[in-house]
Amino acid sequence: NAGVTQTPKFQVLKTGQSMTLQCAQDMNHEYMSWYRQDPGMGLRLIHYSVGAGITDQGEVPNGYNVSRSTTEDFPLRLLSAAPSQTSVYFCASSAGTSGANEQFFGPGTRLTVL
Amino acid sequence: AQSVTQPDIHITVSEGASLELRCNYSYGATPYLFWYVQSPGQGLQLLLKYFSGDTLVQGIKGFEAEFKRSQSSFNLRKPSVHWSDAAEYFCAADGGSQGNLIFGKGTKLSVKP
Repeated sequence: NAGVTQTPKFQVLKTGQSMTLQCAQDMNHEYMSWYRQDPGMGLRLIHYSVGAGITDQGEVPNGYNVSRSTTEDFPLRLLSAAPSQTSVYFCASSAGTSGANEQFFGPGTRLTVL
Repeated sequence: AQSVTQPDIHITVSEGASLELRCNYSYGATPYLFWYVQSPGQGLQLLLKYFSGDTLVQGIKGFEAEFKRSQSSFNLRKPSVHWSDAAEYFCAADGGSQGNLIFGKGTKLSVKP
């Protein structure tokens, strides 16, 4: 099992550009989520999904879009990149929505917006 | 609002010394609690978790944590720190809604030789 994979590992964008951060998991997990990590802020939830076709907003959803067409994939789209979106992005998955389920994290995507 | 607080931003300990990282939570009820470790440039790895029962939980890499309901705390401990323990440590709690985690801001651990 590869677990949770994320691509790319690094990305540099110019303000206004759009891009998609990819996340995939091979554990047949229903629950997937995206967090951003900023210095001194810990991890903050952007969007999450409790199953294919179902998504919802987290704490900091503005400027991001998600969809969940398959169980395996949960891409994060930046519609028009802004310098405030410079961050490290982590994707996570777990077997269900109960807090008892361990969440598995991907290795992260480091994004810089100029 | 639900929250997780890690009071210490940065801690430095000598190799071989004991370690305690503090975590406090603010919830209406006792949440599921977790400690994660993040090595530089890496993702998050689960160290241990508390759901219920015994208040002292054992984790990987020789870490343990003690849950204290009266203090709303879930502090992480290790009897003897190794240089490889240098990393950032995050305390987290189940947000209670759809499986989301609420993270503390993290404590960076440096280890002196």
